[in-house]
Amino acid sequence: DTAVSQTPKYLVTQMGNDKSIKCEQNLGHDTMYWYKQDSKKFLKIMFSYNNKELIINETVPNRFSPKSPDKAHLNLHINSLELGDSAVYFCASSPPGTSMNEQFFGPGTRLTVL
Amino acid sequence: GEDVEQSLFLSVREGDSSVINCTYTDSSSTYLYWYKQEPGAGLQLLTYIFSNMDMKQDQRLTVLLNKKDKHLSLRIADTQTGDSAIYFCAETGNTDKLIFGTGTRLQVFP
Repeated sequence: DTAVSQTPKYLVTQMGNDKSIKCEQNLGHDTMYWYKQDSKKFLKIMFSYNNKELIINETVPNRFSPKSPDKAHLNLHINSLELGDSAVYFCASSPPGTSMNEQFFGPGTRLTVL
Repeated sequence: GEDVEQSLFLSVREGDSSVINCTYTDSSSTYLYWYKQEPGAGLQLLTYIFSNMDMKQDQRLTVLLNKKDKHLSLRIADTQTGDSAIYFCAETGNTDKLIFGTGTRLQVFP
């Protein structure tokens, strides 16, 4: 199946821990994104990478560090987790060479910090 | 500012039309988008409109754009229970990032 996939789907952890969420796309896209969706369903962009290079970095605490080992993967590492980090995190990708920015979303990772 | 506003809830009877409204802020957006999020899933692009168009029709979906008022709407004809979801409008402004609206939860009842 061609898609954007994320692992894990659910992540429950204690405050202060460090965790990673992985994202892979097999669509051949150059650009990948991380979004955070809070409990009220507000969706905000966190990061964007184009061909392994960071191009968008919103005002996100530096406890969040994205890593792109190749253009098909964009992982999100979070240090010293806080209660307020609880949310659903979505990875997305978009194809190159189009002015219309259609983004393809993964199924999301629900992070719960206790 | 980057505030894209939508009403939070809409409830319609099956078979009726639904109209979801959005007010955006950045008039430099080349495209405006409607995304759909079904329960427990990621967002999917439903339709989009180029900024020099007033209207776009795609089967049961009609998008209306009023650039003067920065108002975008999505009309779903003959709404079905499978249309129950959260609908997000989005703009890009003159950047590559999508700015999403607050989302409208559409509930369709029989």
